[in-house]
Parts: sequence; structure tokens; C-alpha cells
Amino acid sequence: EAQVTQNPRYLITVTGKKLTVTCSQNMNHEYMSWYRQDPGLGLRQIYYSMNVEVTDKGDVPEGYKVSRKEKRNFPLILESPSPNQTSLYFCASAFDGSYEQYFGPGTRLTVT
Amino acid sequence: AQTVTQSQPEMSVQEAETVTLSCTYDTSESDYYLFWYKQPPSRQMILVIRQEAYKQQNATENRFSVNFQKAAKSFSLKISDSQLGDAAMYFCAYRSAMLNNNDMRFGAGTRLTVKP
Repeated sequence: EAQVTQNPRYLITVTGKKLTVTCSQNMNHEYMSWYRQDPGLGLRQIYYSMNVEVTDKGDVPEGYKVSRKEKRNFPLILESPSPNQTSLYFCASAFDGSYEQYFGPGTRLTVT
Repeated sequence: AQTVTQSQPEMSVQEAETVTLSCTYDTSESDYYLFWYKQPPSRQMILVIRQEAYKQQNATENRFSVNFQKAAKSFSLKISDSQLGDAAMYFCAYRSAMLNNNDMRFGAGTRLTVKP
């Protein structure tokens, strides 16, 4: 089944404790992206990647890191999480940037 | 930078009736893509419809259609014969077609309620 998977689905952590949210797709897509969703703000793009080893900042990259060492994986790293990073996070992939994006199920992150 | 505005935070419609969700965007580009996504309570993001700016014909997918007005920078979604399963958050999104501009912009969303 073609899909985008994210883990974990739910995470509660404390300020400053490094964490990684994994994202994997099995559709051989070139394009992958991370978003955060906050009430009243919609989805805002954090980082995206057009291909392996190619990443670029989106609208709200501060406090986040990504890497694209393999085509199928695009982990999101929070090296020192803060409470303002409490949000719902989505990973997405697409054949390329012009096509519709397939979204993962979301990761609910709470930073206390 | 491009911005996407959905001016209706909430809308409601009677089952079997028609509803239109509004979306406007701001851009200086001539070529781009526009999308409507649906997010039901499960939180899954589902593509509803896609429109390419260079195409004058409005996109249609079954009961869903758009009214794309390029000059007015407007991209509204019409849902005909509304069903209970259409209840969800709906997001309008914009993506540039320029090779060096790959970010995607979403509106704040419109929550649609369908009344039986």
C-alpha cells in the first residue's frame, strides 16, 4: 500500500530534550516536506527536500533540523525543543513539487 | 511572499444543499498550482481538487468543483449535494511553478459543518 508513515504518532517531552520524528514513504517520491499545524494558522511549511541531500527552508524553520540521506526517509529533528513547538506535525511527499502531496497521519507533539 | 486567505473560519450547510468555500491568494507570479485539501476528524489530509493556473477550465471532481478567477486571485470550492461525510476542515493551498521556489502555502482553514 502506498503510504507515508510517521513515528511516533504522539509524543510528550520536556524542554531541551532532543527528539526525532521519523518520516518514510514507499512511493519513490522525489519531494518530501514537513509542516506544523496550529489552530487559526493552518499548515506552515518547516523544511522541504527536492531530492537526496537537497533540503531547503520553508516558512518556519527556526528550531528544526532535517536530513535527506535516503530517498524514502526525511526525519525531523528538534535538538532543544521548547513549549512553542507544541503542535501537530505532518510529513508529506510528492512525485515532484507540482503534484499533490500525500500526507502522513500526523504527530501530536507536546513540549512541557 | 505569497499568502493564502480563507476568510470564513466556519461554514455550515444542510445535507443535500450546496456550499461554497472562499479562498483568495496574493502572488506576482503567472504560473502556479492551487489545491483544496480536506481534513476530517481523523486528521488525515486528503486532496480534494487541484487546479493549474495556466488552465482556464475550472477543475471538477464529482460533487466538488472550483471557481478559479485568475485576475481576481480567487479560488473557491463548491460542494454540491453535501453529505454528512463532507464535514471537515478544508484548506486552500498555493504552490509556485517556478523551479527555484518550491514552498507551499496554506490558508488558515474553514471548518465545514453538515446538518442532517
